[in-house]
Amino acid sequence: ETGVTQTPRHLVMGMTNKKSLKCEQHLGHNAMYWYKQSAKKPLELMFVYNFKEQTENNSVPSRFSPECPNSSHLFLHLHTLQPEDSALYLCASSQDPGDSAYEQYFGPGTRLTVT
Amino acid sequence: GQNIDQPTEMTATEGAIVQINCTYQTSGFNGLFWYQQHAGEAPTFLSYNVLDGLEEKGRFSSFLSRSKGYSYLLLKELQMKDSASYLCAVKDSNYQLIWGAGTKLIIKP
Repeated sequence: ETGVTQTPRHLVMGMTNKKSLKCEQHLGHNAMYWYKQSAKKPLELMFVYNFKEQTENNSVPSRFSPECPNSSHLFLHLHTLQPEDSALYLCASSQDPGDSAYEQYFGPGTRLTVT
Repeated sequence: GQNIDQPTEMTATEGAIVQINCTYQTSGFNGLFWYQQHAGEAPTFLSYNVLDGLEEKGRFSSFLSRSKGYSYLLLKELQMKDSASYLCAVKDSNYQLIWGAGTKLIIKP
């Protein structure tokens, strides 16, 4: 089983739709992350969960709502998005985020287009 | 504010050597990471430096100078499959990864 999986891989939605992105990690990690990747811009950290508890929320608009039911699953619920929210949404996981040496493992991402 | 700078794009020839530079200004330092990202794929981990010096891993090496806020990724014996974006990231004092925008490396035959 691939380390970190994401579904769907591509999503087109209107501004009034509600959709959810799903991420699952099979690595036994404690922490999971949502990132936004826009063309030619740095990865933007959106949310961090450590042992299912949200530890970071980097001023993300409320139209993005995360959910972490357990250490292996992470969701990003989307509603009333704007065209500028179109981007690649990446999920990642790692061991203890408070240890500097642990790298993050990324899923393949969901390419989101808001029309 | 926190900032990671790396060149936007570089071109190199198959079989040659290329050095991708990264400079950083962050609040605290808990290690520097290099990732490779092929178009349409997930970033994958390449290297980690926390102490000054050179870390070698096969054809790839990564160097760190903490006093200069500087790192480079050195790729030797370039292959066409090395065409990708290379992302530099620093863990700050809060153990958050601060990312550069990435360097797109184009390999020509």
